[in-house]
Formats: sequence, structure tokens, C-alpha cells
Amino acid sequence: GAGVSQSPSNKVTEKGKDVELRCDPISGHTALYWYRQSLGQGLEFLIYFQGNSAPDKSGLPSDRFSAERTGGSVSTLTIQRTQQEDSAVYLCASSPTDYNEQFFGPGTRLTVL
Amino acid sequence: AQSVAQPEDQVNVAEGNPLTVKCTYSVSGNPYLFWYVQYPNRGLQFLLKYITGDNLVKGSYGFEAEFNKSQTSFHLKKPSALVSDSALYFCAVRDIFTGAGSYQLTFGKGTKLSVIP
Repeated sequence: GAGVSQSPSNKVTEKGKDVELRCDPISGHTALYWYRQSLGQGLEFLIYFQGNSAPDKSGLPSDRFSAERTGGSVSTLTIQRTQQEDSAVYLCASSPTDYNEQFFGPGTRLTVL
Repeated sequence: AQSVAQPEDQVNVAEGNPLTVKCTYSVSGNPYLFWYVQYPNRGLQFLLKYITGDNLVKGSYGFEAEFNKSQTSFHLKKPSALVSDSALYFCAVRDIFTGAGSYQLTFGKGTKLSVIP
């Protein structure tokens, strides 16, 4: 079956512009996570969605970051007024429940010039 | 709070030799532990997990890991390394105890494994 897909695979933008990153989880997975992977760093948790519950936004680094998940499936991570320090690989993951391993997408590499 | 430490940024091993990638963790309660592998320009792939039960966990591609509660460790091992095992390895933990933020995985910074032919 299809895995987690993310688009675009690469995004280059200018400082101050807004960007939207998309994640399409595995069908039927109720849990969806966004992480950020910076060069030389581990993965940094950003946000978590589970079904219709309120998302856990505790990892979002600033109010320029937001995410939504429509219909319990596709998710969009939006970064407003991008800064150079936002440059990173943004990874999305999904899992069948909270207690299973997470399945990761290939990531979106964001470069802010 | 939960945390993971991978004390080695890089591990070099000769092909055919056994390999170990170290991981220690800290959680308030009991841990769920995971190992993931990342090949260049790829997403993370799940290798194995410890939830409960037998302390020795076997996973994909011949990897295994041993959960040691007293040492709070979950080292990744393989009896005979292959060149194709060269990749970035991440250990991750989450606390079984439910509470705010407990569903997120906390990852180590990764260990680059290089298997030398």
C-alpha cells in the first residue's frame, strides 16, 4: 500500500514569504505528526493530531507556524513570514494509533534565502 | 520530561564485524523505545521497538536491541555488519504514562554508521 507522501519534495523561498507544506498520511491512520530536522540536529517535534481531538501544538517554535488537518486525513503545515532559521527538512509521520510505531514520509526540504 | 542520548556522533565498523549503536533514555514512567534508520535523502524507516515483554527485541534487516531498565539503555546491535547498513540511526522514546505531550516521540541526535568494506 501507499506510504506517507509529502509535497513538495523541495521548496526554495525568499525570506518573508509564506509557505505551505502538505502531508498525505497512510489511509486509516488516525495519528499524524510533524517534525523538523535541521542539519546536524535530531528530529524536533512540532505538532500532533489524533482523530477529532484538539491538536498538541506544544512543539511549534513560534506563532508563525500553524497546521491543520482536514477531514482527519491530509494535513498542511503553514509557515508565515519565513526566516532563514526555518530552513530544514520537514517530516510528516502517521500511525494507526498512539501506541504504534510512526511511519514517516520522505520529507520536504525547505530553503529560505 | 523525556530525553534520549546517543553518545556517539559516528561509529565506524568493518564489514562482517559486529556493530553496536548506543542509546540511553530518560522518562518519568515506563518507556516505549524505537530505532529508526535514515538513508541519504530519504525519510526515516522503522527498525524495531520495545513496548513490553522480552528485553531482547528483533527487528528488520537483522538488527536487534536490548532493553536494559537498570542502565536505561536500548543499544542497537547487529552480529555482522554490511556495507549497505551505512546510514544515520535514530533512537526515540516516549513515556507510556499518558499526559500532555506524551504522544510525541523524542529523538536522539542520530549516529552515523559507516561500514567499511
